[in-house]
Parts: sequence; C-alpha cells; structure tokens
Amino acid sequence: DSGVTQTPKHLITATGQRVTLRCSPRSGDLSVYWYQQSLDQGLQFLIQYYNGEERAKGNILERFSAQQFPDLHSELNLSSLELGDSALYFCASSVQGLRDEQFFGPGTRLTVL
Amino acid sequence: DQQVKQNSPSLSVQEGRISILNCDYTNSMFDYFLWYKKYPAEGPTFLISISSIKDKNEDGRFTVFLNKSAKHLSLHIVPSQPGDSAVYFCAASARGTYKYIFGTGTRLKVLA
Repeated sequence: DSGVTQTPKHLITATGQRVTLRCSPRSGDLSVYWYQQSLDQGLQFLIQYYNGEERAKGNILERFSAQQFPDLHSELNLSSLELGDSALYFCASSVQGLRDEQFFGPGTRLTVL
Repeated sequence: DQQVKQNSPSLSVQEGRISILNCDYTNSMFDYFLWYKKYPAEGPTFLISISSIKDKNEDGRFTVFLNKSAKHLSLHIVPSQPGDSAVYFCAASARGTYKYIFGTGTRLKVLA
C-alpha cells in the first residue's frame, strides 16, 4: 500500500460525458502528479501540482483539467469524453515534487462506451 | 515522439538466472533515470534510480547500468525470482524539469 488513494476504482460512462477522478496523496506529500496509461502505452504524464499550484504540464488535452485543493487532494476532470479516453489514470505523490520518489495510487480504470 | 523506448514488450527468464531489461532514450538532456515495477491491479512502485554522473547503481539483486554515449540503460536482476514477474518501466527526467517520461514497459516473466 503506497498510501495514495484513488477513487473510484472503475468508471464506465458514455461518450460526451464528464467525469471527475479523485486522488488523496500520502500524508506529508505536497506534490501530486496525474498520468494516463492507454492500452499498450507507457505512462503519459499529464500534469503536476505542488502545494496547490500547477508546476508542470505534459500532454494534457484541453478537455481535461485538474486542480489541487488546500487539503492537498487533487481532482482530474475529463469532459466531452471520447472512446480514446478509455485508459488507466494514475495519481502519484511525492514530498517535494523535485524529481524525488513518486508513490503511485492503484489507478482508476475509465471505460468510455 | 517516444523519447524513452523499451523495445522488448516481454521477456521470459528461468528462476535463478539473470534478467536484463533494456531502455533507450533520445533526449540528450535527460540526466536522471529510474526503473519502476508494476504488478497487475496496482500502481507502479519505485525500484532503483541513477544519475547521469554515475554509470552504475546497485541495490541488492538490482543493478542499473547507464551508457550515456549510447543513450542506453539496462536493469539487471540477479538472481531472478518468480516474485519479480511484473511489468518494468524505465523513466527519464531532464535537468530543470519536474516530469518523468516513461517507456512503454517490458513484461518480465520468471519461470519457476
């Protein structure tokens, strides 16, 4: 158990819909990262937050947005969903967000029908 | 453009033998490299890392080698154990950035 929690574990929805994925980092970690893993793909970095502020951005679509709240939990919002958005979405956290060890949650599997 | 490549999707090794997992990168600005291990239905877990100032880092049965001129790194597991069966991802980070670029992973199967 990494100490990072993600909800829900599974999500099935339809094209055009909007969903919110939630992540609670390990106690004491200030930085949160979001990754997407599609079938046979590596982990694609989406976005990083540190203490509530966006720190780094990867290949995140404009339909996707994220935020980190004062209690340090984070949410990833996916809107106007397409079939290709079906993937595993991982959240990770680290203490400083400065290339220190990232601890990953178990992921949320999103299926778009 | 895949900056970090793991060209072998899968690898099978006998228990007790050496497992060698390879990773190539294209970005010469990468200066920090990591390996993560992932079991089914779990998130990846950190295994070992190496900075570009070194060419080898060892932690128990796991050793990572870095060849900067070839832009290649490898993970050696000796001896391999059935519990090592998992997907292994290499990742890289460039100086001045906070993000890791991950490869597509190699599925290792250690046969008892």
